[in-house]
Amino acid sequence: GAGVSQSPSNKVTEKGKDVELRCDPISGHTALYWYRQSLGQGLEFLIYFQGNSAPDKSGLPSDRFSAERTGGSVSTLTIQRTQQEDSAVYLCASSRYSDEQYFGPGTRLTVT
Amino acid sequence: AQSVTQLDSQVPVFEEAPVELRCNYSSSVSVYLFWYVQYPNQGLQLLLKYLSGSTLVKGINGFEAEFNKSQTSFHLRKPSVHISDTAEYFCAVSDHYGGSQGNLIFGKGTKLSVKP
Repeated sequence: GAGVSQSPSNKVTEKGKDVELRCDPISGHTALYWYRQSLGQGLEFLIYFQGNSAPDKSGLPSDRFSAERTGGSVSTLTIQRTQQEDSAVYLCASSRYSDEQYFGPGTRLTVT
Repeated sequence: AQSVTQLDSQVPVFEEAPVELRCNYSSSVSVYLFWYVQYPNQGLQLLLKYLSGSTLVKGINGFEAEFNKSQTSFHLRKPSVHISDTAEYFCAVSDHYGGSQGNLIFGKGTKLSVKP
């Protein structure tokens, strides 16, 4: 079946602009995660949605980062006023409840 | 807070040789351990996981890992590697599984390079 999809695959933006990254989880998966993969920091957890519960935002690095999940399915990660240090690959994963996580191919964000 | 240490950032090895990728985690009452593989320009794929039970876990592509609680380790092994195993491997830990919070804490990754 279809896996986790993310769009765009690549995004180049100018410093100071806002960007939106999209994640389509596997159908029926109740949990959705965002991670960031960068050269300096490795893989970092950002935010976690589980069903209708309040999201766990403990990994968001600053208030410029936010995410929402509409209808318990698609999620959008928004970065406002992008900075060069935001350049990274943003990975989305989904799982049924909180078991095995399936990862998407990622969005490579480059801030110039 | 949980943490994961992958002791080797890069491991070069010849084809058909055995390989061990090392992973240590910070101690916790309960811990769930995972190994993921990332091929170039692709997302992460689960290789294997330890939840409970037998300490020797077998995964896909001929990989296996052994959970050692006393040494807080979860090293990944393969008796004979192929060129196609060239990838980056990530060890990860979670305090929860099947519960209300399951985000993974990852190690920095080990790049396995298999040479002919």
